[in-house]
Amino acid sequence: SYDLTQPPSVSVSPGQTATITCSGVKLGDKYACWFQQKPGHSPVLVIYQDDKRPSDIPERFSGSNSGNTATLTLGGTQAMDEADYFCQAWDSGTAVFGGGTKLTVL
Amino acid sequence: EVQLVESGGAWVQPGGSLRLSCAASGFTFSDYYLDWVRQAPGKGLEWVGQSRNQANSYTTLHAASVRGRFTISRDVSKNSLFLEMRSLKPEDTAVYYCVREQVDSPLRYFESWGQGTLVTVSS
Repeated sequence: SYDLTQPPSVSVSPGQTATITCSGVKLGDKYACWFQQKPGHSPVLVIYQDDKRPSDIPERFSGSNSGNTATLTLGGTQAMDEADYFCQAWDSGTAVFGGGTKLTVL
Repeated sequence: EVQLVESGGAWVQPGGSLRLSCAASGFTFSDYYLDWVRQAPGKGLEWVGQSRNQANSYTTLHAASVRGRFTISRDVSKNSLFLEMRSLKPEDTAVYYCVREQVDSPLRYFESWGQGTLVTVSS
C-alpha cells in the first residue's frame, strides 16, 4: 500500500513562515492536497492540485510538489492557523492520507 | 450552498450493524462522486470508500479495511448517501464524514465535508 509521511509536529512563531512536508514514493507524479482541521471541526481543503487555493483560503497558504515531497507553506503565520494539517493523494484509485502534522503557533 | 448532513451514528456492540446517512443539498446530487472518510478519536483520516456519479453508473469502491463488511449506496430520489456497516469492530470507532469529491480526471480532490457522525463500537 502507498504511504504518506508527515512530521507529527511543527512549531512556528507568529508572523514567521511555517513549512509542513509530506513524503511518499514519487509523490510528485501525483496530485497532492492539504486539509486543515481545528479541534472539534471537520477538515477544510486549503490546497488542491499541488498548489491551488480554494477561493476562500488566504493567500498566505501555498503548496508545492516535486520528487518525493509535497510541501505546505504558511507565510506570515497567525494564531488562527494553529491546527492539524493532513496531506492526501490518490494511488490506484484509493485515497491516501498522511498521518497529520500539528502546527503550533507560539 | 453545498450541505452534507450525516446522521445515524450511535453506540453499538462488536459484531453489530449500523446504517449511516448523508443528506445532500445545494448541488446536483447525480453529478458528483461522494465519499466516506473516517477519523478515529485523536487519530488521522482514513478513506472508507466512494459512490461515483451517474455518468459512471454510481459504481462504488471500498477500502480494503472495510471491504466485505461495509457497503456504500445512494438514493437519488432522496439526495442521500448511505453507509451500511456490519460485523463492526472496536477499531471501526470513529467520526464518519460524508465528503463531496471534485473529479476532473486525473485531478480529483475532497472539496466539501459534512460535520460528521460518531460511531462507537464497544461492549
